[in-house]
Amino acid sequence: NAGVMQNPRHLVRRRGQEARLRCSPMKGHSHVYWYRQLPEEGLKFMVYLQKENIIDESGMPKERFSAEFPKEGPSILRIQQVVRGDSAAYFCASSSTGQGLEKLFFGSGTQLSVL
Amino acid sequence: AQKVTQAQTEISVVEKEDVTLDCVYETRDTTYYLFWYKQPPSGELVFLIRRNSFDEQNEISGRYSWNFQKSTSSFNFTITASQVVDSAVYFCALKQENYGQNFVFGPGTRLSVLP
Repeated sequence: NAGVMQNPRHLVRRRGQEARLRCSPMKGHSHVYWYRQLPEEGLKFMVYLQKENIIDESGMPKERFSAEFPKEGPSILRIQQVVRGDSAAYFCASSSTGQGLEKLFFGSGTQLSVL
Repeated sequence: AQKVTQAQTEISVVEKEDVTLDCVYETRDTTYYLFWYKQPPSGELVFLIRRNSFDEQNEISGRYSWNFQKSTSSFNFTITASQVVDSAVYFCALKQENYGQNFVFGPGTRLSVLP
């Protein structure tokens, strides 16, 4: 009965490299959300996906960031050419329907450090 | 616009004291959902409670209680007889029925319970 699984737990990248963050939702959940938490700040919405579809990416930076949730496999948040300002904790959450009463189940997060 | 404000950045109390964490929200929708999440030092976010906008009944769960008042757009959280294990960052969140699918989180309140 695994919860939301994120890996890696910690990721270190040098400026200009690519970062790939993975999220496997809870079993039976087809809705995935990505949030970013900067040091001493709250959670900022980035993107909401269903299987094979991006539903809301209003919180995603226009450049260098992309997300996908393929039919098979985990959701991937990809950051190209990382910069120091990308250092943050990235949380994935899932829900079963995406409807109002649903609560989010969160993973443990990936701490990205850009050197 | 949707917004969640948690005016208290940090609170310190001594064990066994009661503490109230404030949450004020803004929304245009008549149907919306409010949440509280706890983020302990280990980093994951733990769901605590969900309320819908039509249910203003206050709720008590053990040492935790929540006071939802639509007239003041507040959803405050009280911990009675606090314990060291309550030390965490607490986030209040809002999900609107008719505005996208993302949950909007407040900046969080860091609670430190001292022995």
